[in-house]
Amino acid sequence: AAGVIQSPRHLIKEKRETATLKCYPIPRHDTVYWYQQGPGQDPQFLISFYEKMQSDKGSIPDRFSAQQFSDYHSELNMSSLELGDSALYFCASSLASAVTEQYFGPGTRLTVT
Amino acid sequence: DAKTTQPNSMESNEEEPVHLPCNHSTISGTDYIHWYRQLPSQGPEYVIHGLTSNVNNRMASLAIAEDRKSSTLILHRATLRDAAVYYCILRDTGNQFYFGTGTSLTVIP
Repeated sequence: AAGVIQSPRHLIKEKRETATLKCYPIPRHDTVYWYQQGPGQDPQFLISFYEKMQSDKGSIPDRFSAQQFSDYHSELNMSSLELGDSALYFCASSLASAVTEQYFGPGTRLTVT
Repeated sequence: DAKTTQPNSMESNEEEPVHLPCNHSTISGTDYIHWYRQLPSQGPEYVIHGLTSNVNNRMASLAIAEDRKSSTLILHRATLRDAAVYYCILRDTGNQFYFGTGTSLTVIP
């Protein structure tokens, strides 16, 4: 079965640069979520989208923005990168019902130097 | 925000049952109880979820206390592949999950 696809899998950037992470949800899933997991930390919810509209917002910094496109893929744009942004970034997708499970992608490991 | 409490770590012998507890004393009537696990360097993986009644699936069982203030994830026969961090998460009708600290399960051969 198709899973959530994230690209790139690894990304190295320097401070103050920008980065764009992409997420391709499971076919027919209309909801996408982004999470950030720092080294040794638990996943932190950043933001979610349903039918191309932002549905919930968590602890996403103002330097980050995200959107969901007409084909339901999503992009997380990160600007003015800081060393503390180094983390695993997970995307998850689901069908928009109250209690369906979220399917997580393999993550993008961002390293800021 | 995290509304669950779990032990930081647990150990189990291979092929023995494992009971992973979770306290959620402030659970509301509309909160579903979800369990996810995360293997090293992988994304979290859905395990099971429930509302009031006990639930079983091919991976595990979920036992929910009558007052819903606690629950227990049961792995019937632990294998080495079950070594992971297990997260107990409360989810209402919103879309976000708030992960707590989770329980790191070690399976001893």
